[in-house]
Amino acid sequence: QKEVEQNSGPLSVPEGAIASLNCTYSDRGSQSFFWYRQYSGKSPELIMSIYSNGDKEDGRFTAQLNKASQYVSLLIRDSQPSDSATYLCAVSYNTDKLIFGTGTRLQVFP
Amino acid sequence: ETGVTQSPTHLIKTRGQQVTLRCSSQSGHNTVSWYQQALGQGPQFIFQYYREEENGRGNFPPRFSGLQFPNYSSELNVNALELDDSALYLCASSLGGLVGMSSYNEQFFGPGTRLTVL
Repeated sequence: QKEVEQNSGPLSVPEGAIASLNCTYSDRGSQSFFWYRQYSGKSPELIMSIYSNGDKEDGRFTAQLNKASQYVSLLIRDSQPSDSATYLCAVSYNTDKLIFGTGTRLQVFP
Repeated sequence: ETGVTQSPTHLIKTRGQQVTLRCSSQSGHNTVSWYQQALGQGPQFIFQYYREEENGRGNFPPRFSGLQFPNYSSELNVNALELDDSALYLCASSLGGLVGMSSYNEQFFGPGTRLTVL
């Protein structure tokens, strides 16, 4: 059973702080890794994709991948109340499907 | 560039009925994947269509079926609805078939169809 694990939270951080979201996966054959943001009652929105070990930065977001430890993380710098949402980690083993974690709820308070 | 669209937005059915959900893929995309998201859970993969052929299926019974049209839009059909089928149904489009390109399987979701089975 291929699994993706996330802490359900909520993760509460003050405005302006760094939010750190973590995800582990079980299958070493995983090739592609994604972070989606989902606001309550809305559909998931792709915010980051990462394919090789190391860091990938896009604005206030940094994705980190460590395939040896089967670990992927998302850092959100200068967190804003508008970042409050559920963050879904997804892993792809080939082109046909994404396997999602249950998501981590992030709360950014003023 | 046109994004992924889905219809209807909401749907209420009774147990035993059949339902058809529709999805139009993002402009330029040839692959559509369907997911079911129960409350408080991550999306679960149902199946994927690439160039009108089923290209992978998750752990869902045969009463979940689909098809893809030449314009790459897609339908999800669910027969003999059960109470547990109540969920948000998500369609995602992507540009498949480009082996070796790093972004070839980024999937972009539509707004979803909220199905309630009574």
